[in-house]
Amino acid sequence: EDQVTQSPEALRLQEGESSSLNCSYTVSGLRGLFWYRQDPGKGPEFLFTLYSAGEEKEKERLKATLTKKESFLHITAPKPEDSATYLCAVQARQAAGNKLTFGGGTRVLVKP
Amino acid sequence: DAGVTQSPTHLIKTRGQQVTLRCSPKSGHDTVSWYQQALGQGPQFIFQYYEEEERQRGNFPDRFSGHQFPNYSSELNVNALLLGDSALYLCASSLQGWSFFGQGTRLTVV
Repeated sequence: EDQVTQSPEALRLQEGESSSLNCSYTVSGLRGLFWYRQDPGKGPEFLFTLYSAGEEKEKERLKATLTKKESFLHITAPKPEDSATYLCAVQARQAAGNKLTFGGGTRVLVKP
Repeated sequence: DAGVTQSPTHLIKTRGQQVTLRCSPKSGHDTVSWYQQALGQGPQFIFQYYEEEERQRGNFPDRFSGHQFPNYSSELNVNALLLGDSALYLCASSLQGWSFFGQGTRLTVV
């Protein structure tokens, strides 16, 4: 069974204090690893998709990387507006559909 | 492009009742998935519809059922509601594997 574990569960940062979020996964053949941002009471907002080990994607202050067992989301010089829950999900290659298996998320709070 | 739209946004039901949630996918998307997200947890996959058929199903009881219409919109039905069904219900539409989520329906069972 596909599994995703995210750490830490919560992260408090000062504005400008860079940090990394971890996503460890086990999947029966990875089709893709997805990162989403979720604000309170809202639906997840798509950030990145990574497909193979060594791949990297960047968007503003966020950079996602992928290895064969884990992914990292690096937040560089965060601002208060980066406060949100960051969700990691995997999609298995063998699945007939495109079901996502999510981790529990990392709640990030950036204080000014 | 309106994106994925869900209705209603909030709903309060009594234990034992039945509920129907609705989802309109992003324009051009032919696949709709439903997820349940309990407070403080990640979304859990309920099921997915493609070409009006259930294509994948997660570990949810038969009380959870769904439907997809010819215009790709979808409904999620939950019968015999339990207190533990209280959650944010998310609809995601996708095309070629990329999923985009709606804002969700917050269901409270009392």
